[in-house]
Amino acid sequence: DAGITQSPRHKVTETGTPVTLRCHQTENHRYMYWYRQDPGHGLRLIHYSYGVKDTDKGEVSDGYSVSRSKTEDFLLTLESATSSQTSVYFCAISEFVTQYQETQYFGPGTRLLVL
Amino acid sequence: QKEVEQNSGPLSVPEGAIASLNCTYSDRGSQSFFWYRQYSGKSPELIMSIYSNGDKEDGRFTAQLNKASQYVSLLIRDSQPSDSATYLCAGGGSGGYNKLIFGAGTRLAVHP
Repeated sequence: DAGITQSPRHKVTETGTPVTLRCHQTENHRYMYWYRQDPGHGLRLIHYSYGVKDTDKGEVSDGYSVSRSKTEDFLLTLESATSSQTSVYFCAISEFVTQYQETQYFGPGTRLLVL
Repeated sequence: QKEVEQNSGPLSVPEGAIASLNCTYSDRGSQSFFWYRQYSGKSPELIMSIYSNGDKEDGRFTAQLNKASQYVSLLIRDSQPSDSATYLCAGGGSGGYNKLIFGAGTRLAVHP
């Protein structure tokens, strides 16, 4: 499981409330990612990080922010949750086979329901 | 818009048969391709990675890449009921080798 944990694993919240999801890894990986998975859309990249305090936007970043103050933790925040953000959220890390060949491994996921 | 396309299925095959899963991608700059297996309610699990044209075999799994045709496939030999899952194809390497684009997945059902 590449030493990845996510918390909480399940969360129900109300529209308009802030929500923070945590991804924690124990193997000192530099690259970390947040994806969401919705039926019919596969996995879509929200944000990613290439080091402490270094982050960038992915394909579906609107309404989300991230922070990485320590190598091991990558936080995803929904500033004001909306029903369209109901989804399963996966964190991932990269392991590099060579300098240019990397493979991503996923955490167990967080199921978020926004009412 | 970079895309990875997969037939959503379900693809139904009898136990012991070869399951063939296909994927096409739009970004000619993609350099790396991956197949993930995902059981219902679980996280994606890496099965195969492939970076060069041709075939790559690992046990019962063979990944095939044809960059000229922008086509990736996964063959599962001697399919087992435990192979029943959704298989996700992903491509990356263009515009940042760590930005993967995923297909929506193909659901495979292996029946006894």
